[in-house]
Order: sequence, then C-alpha cells, then structure tokens
Amino acid sequence: GQQVMQIPQYQHVQEGEDFTTYCNSSTTLSNIQWYKQRPGGHPVFLIQLVKSGEVKKQKRLTFQFGEAKKNSSLHITATQTTDVGTYFCAGIKAAGNKLTFGGGTRVLVKP
Amino acid sequence: DADVTQTPRNRITKTGKRIMLECSQTKGHDRMYWYRQDPGLGLRLIYYSFDVKDINKGEISDGYSVSRQAQAKFSLSLESAIPNQTALYFCATSGEGRATDTQYFGPGTRLTVL
Repeated sequence: GQQVMQIPQYQHVQEGEDFTTYCNSSTTLSNIQWYKQRPGGHPVFLIQLVKSGEVKKQKRLTFQFGEAKKNSSLHITATQTTDVGTYFCAGIKAAGNKLTFGGGTRVLVKP
Repeated sequence: DADVTQTPRNRITKTGKRIMLECSQTKGHDRMYWYRQDPGLGLRLIYYSFDVKDINKGEISDGYSVSRQAQAKFSLSLESAIPNQTALYFCATSGEGRATDTQYFGPGTRLTVL
C-alpha cells in the first residue's frame, strides 16, 4: 500500500535558526497537504500543493512539491517558539480518494 | 475546531470492555473519518464514510467498528478493548466531495486500556 515517510522524526532547533522537514511517498501523489498539531491539540490544515514543482509560502514557512510529485518539503526560517508542534504531511495517490499521513516531524525550539 | 466535537475526551477502560467513541459535526460535511494517533506513527485511518450509507475500512480496521447514524454523527466502537488500542483517537470531516478536501479534526479522545 501507499506509504508516506517523514524525516526527521524529531527536530531540535535553536530559536532564530532555519530548518527543513521532508516528506517522501512510495507512490506518485495527486496532491499533498501539510498539517500542524500543537502540543495537546489536534491537527490543523496549513496548505495544499497540487502542481509538480509547486512552491507556496506562508510568512516564514515555505512548502515545496517535488517535480515527480513523490516528495515534499517544509522549510521554516527564523524559527520561533510558536513553531513548536508536530508537522504532518498527507498525500493522496493518483486516482486515490483518501489521505495517507506521514509519521510527522516533532519540532522543539530552544530559546 | 468547535465545529467537530468528540466525546468522551478521556477514557480509561479495562481489557475486554466494549467502548464507544462519538463524533458530531456542525459543518454540514458528508465525509467523516476516524484516525488513530500513536507516537512516531502519525495518523492512521481506521474507517471512513463518504455519506450516511457509505462505510469503508481504512488501513487498521481490525478490532474496530463504526456507525454513521446521521450526516452529523459518526461513532467508533471497540467491541472488546485490548491494551494495544491505547491511543489518541481523532475524528475528522471534509466537505467538498473531493479527495483533495481539507480535513477538519475534532479535539481527540485519549483512550487508555488497562
């Protein structure tokens, strides 16, 4: 079946530094979504990428969808304590009808 | 998101007990989902329903059953709970009828099976 892998599983970041988390699928995706879950909270939708090579930005967050539509990345610049949480990618395989979530990257920020 | 509610929020039960987790939504969405979250494993789909008469198994449906009582209600049952079903359970909805729809999650139910 379809597998979506995220690396790293944990990311310790010094406040103010940049980091990137990666999402890789075993199959070609029709789209990919990113969600953020704050500690003790529930996943909240951040963004969706649909086109090959697509790049979208939300303030300090940059999301990219790979040319082959099998991988994606989330880059955060100048990390802040408000960025703490777990970031999930979720993809739908081509002609599929449901999301498959990656294992998530848990981000911890050191002040 | 207050539009999707789950009850109970926390539950401790014993091995072999039957337990039901309930989800209600006021978003008017047709599609509803039950996920299970375990550390490092992300969110795994248990069951999903695209409308009241449609029920589908997800990737980890064994040991679980569901009921879609109405458009707004989707319940998850553990017929005979076992300790490895200890997890955080989320209900989610999506509304536009497309696979690419955003999913809206409830606050979660933390279940402990002793």
